[in-house]
Amino acid sequence: QLVLTQSPSASASLGASVKLTCTLSSGHSSYAIAWHQQQPEKGPRYLMKLNSDGSHSKGDGIPDRFSGSSSGAERYLTISSLQSEDEADYYCQTWGTASWVFGGGTKLTVL
Amino acid sequence: QVQLVQSGAEVKKPGASVKVSCKASGFTFTSYYMHWVRQAPGQGLEWMGIINPSGGSTTYAQKFQGRVTMTRDTSTSAVYLELTSLRSEDTAVYYCVLCSSGYLGPFDYWGQGTLVTVSS
Repeated sequence: QLVLTQSPSASASLGASVKLTCTLSSGHSSYAIAWHQQQPEKGPRYLMKLNSDGSHSKGDGIPDRFSGSSSGAERYLTISSLQSEDEADYYCQTWGTASWVFGGGTKLTVL
Repeated sequence: QVQLVQSGAEVKKPGASVKVSCKASGFTFTSYYMHWVRQAPGQGLEWMGIINPSGGSTTYAQKFQGRVTMTRDTSTSAVYLELTSLRSEDTAVYYCVLCSSGYLGPFDYWGQGTLVTVSS
């Protein structure tokens, strides 16, 4: 079964970097994923598509501070030079045969 | 540019039905699959189903089968989500979402969301 696992929460200081993790279920380590950001009281925004080889393509207007990388079944979202507006929920999403799945989301707190 | 504009908030009683619309612009409507995703208060995102605006074919998440219907109107470039037999657990924000890379791919454009409240 296609499942994505995310840590419920993360925190980092203003101006620092943070790396969020999304883990694909067993047997699905070659799958691409997408990262989405949801700021408080707003709808989700597409950040990027991230492939298993670490290559990624970002959505319109996404700053260079957002980048992605991969290792095995793990997919990462790195946000550098953290700003207050980066405080948000981050969801990973993937897709399979007639199946579209979200991770549970990570709530990022900027200290 | 791609725009997905959804209908306004709804308040429904348990057992009733709701129909949410999503009007698309900025791309060829029949070229891309559209999805519906919902988010209950304080919860994560949940995929509900997909519709092919070209032929109207649909696939629904098992959880919603029997209660959900997705349709489209090519003359107005709109897709619709109808959910029946509403219960309190259906209180959520409902989003229409576009995958511009085809049948399988990331959700790269989101509507603004429609809040559906189910309350007696």
